[in-house]
Amino acid sequence: AQTVTQSQPEMSVQEAETVTLSCTYDTSESDYYLFWYKQPPSRQMILVIRQEAYKQQNATENRFSVNFQKAAKSFSLKISDSQLGDAAMYFCAYRSDSTGNQFYFGTGTSLTVIP
Amino acid sequence: ETGVTQTPRHLVMGMTNKKSLKCEQHLGHNAMYWYKQSAKKPLELMFVYNFKEQTENNSVPSRFSPECPNSSHLFLHLHTLQPEDSALYLCASSQEGIILAGAYNEQFFGPGTRLTVL
Repeated sequence: AQTVTQSQPEMSVQEAETVTLSCTYDTSESDYYLFWYKQPPSRQMILVIRQEAYKQQNATENRFSVNFQKAAKSFSLKISDSQLGDAAMYFCAYRSDSTGNQFYFGTGTSLTVIP
Repeated sequence: ETGVTQTPRHLVMGMTNKKSLKCEQHLGHNAMYWYKQSAKKPLELMFVYNFKEQTENNSVPSRFSPECPNSSHLFLHLHTLQPEDSALYLCASSQEGIILAGAYNEQFFGPGTRLTVL
């Protein structure tokens, strides 16, 4: 089974600064999808950004962008101009393109935004 | 209601009780999932239903019993649970099969049920 590793259990960032959350994964497949989900305290988990493995261009959604390094199997999330509302648990997830609809999640990174 | 809803949001039960968790998705999806979320652990996929048929059961103890009467509703029946079953139980849904242009088949999550087993 694929594994997803988030090596930073906790991160903090000053408001308006930039922070990068790391994610690595292990797979032998060439086609797959990668996601970052955000889970605010006591609130619903929502999708932040997603990337298809065959696309070389890094995905961007407003202040959120990824650095996708396929050869290194790395998928980091960069949050620019951090806001208080960005404080949450962030989960990296992997989905195969060929082996059904099972997702594999990392253990999460808890992000604190310091005013 | 929009998205994925779950009831109850909080549940406290004894080890001899029987209770059920309910999930409903309003997105027209054809796949639904149960996850267990415990602190400092990856989300654990418990069950997957595609077109109302169970396609995954990741070695979940029989004290957890899923039911999917239609593609919009998913239940998790609980009986004789253990204290280590205390966790946040998340329901999710997705659209499987033909991938529309611009779609990624991502999962949409409900708010979860916080379960405490005494």
